[in-house]
Amino acid sequence: AQSVTQLDSQVPVFEEAPVELRCNYSSSVSVYLFWYVQYPNQGLQLLLKYLSGSTLVKGINGFEAEFNKSQTSFHLRKPSVHISDTAEYFCAVSEGGRRALTFGSGTRLQVQP
Amino acid sequence: DAGVIQSPRHEVTEMGQEVTLRCKPISGHNSLFWYRQTMMRGLELLIYFNNNVPIDDSGMPEDRFSAKMPNASFSTLKIQPSEPRDSAVYFCASSYETPGATQYFGPGTRLLVL
Repeated sequence: AQSVTQLDSQVPVFEEAPVELRCNYSSSVSVYLFWYVQYPNQGLQLLLKYLSGSTLVKGINGFEAEFNKSQTSFHLRKPSVHISDTAEYFCAVSEGGRRALTFGSGTRLQVQP
Repeated sequence: DAGVIQSPRHEVTEMGQEVTLRCKPISGHNSLFWYRQTMMRGLELLIYFNNNVPIDDSGMPEDRFSAKMPNASFSTLKIQPSEPRDSAVYFCASSYETPGATQYFGPGTRLLVL
């Protein structure tokens, strides 16, 4: 069975600093990987996803993520964060033919001025 | 585009009452998902449909929960009778039926069972 681990429950960072949110997954088959963002009292919005091909994926709002098959990781990065990036970030995986997503526990990114 | 529409946005009810949550997926999408979000368990799948047919309901907690999709533009999630432990945010999402397709989430229904 697939599982997703987000190693950090909270990440405080100063504005304009770089950030990395970590995600590891476990699966016995090939997977599709996603990062979603949730702003307070809202639904989830896709940031980016990896399906195949280039392991570096670029998404919206200046975020990018790198798929590392040997380390079963899909870490999310942004070189310079803004106050508006304060939100909860979820890593998710769908495995093989199963369309449903399995989510990690989320990482709360708190950008401070 | 209207996006995924959920109603009601907030629901407060008393233990033992029936609760019905509603979802209208994005037009043209043929997969629909119901997820629940709680502090203790995070985001978890309850059930999903392809072409109005339930495919995976392994996440439905127990017989008190039921979900239907009578047509491509409407789905309901019903809890009867409701219990305090059902308090959560319930999300509906829809997507195309292709591997790796993006799921688009509604704003959620925040349910409080007293």
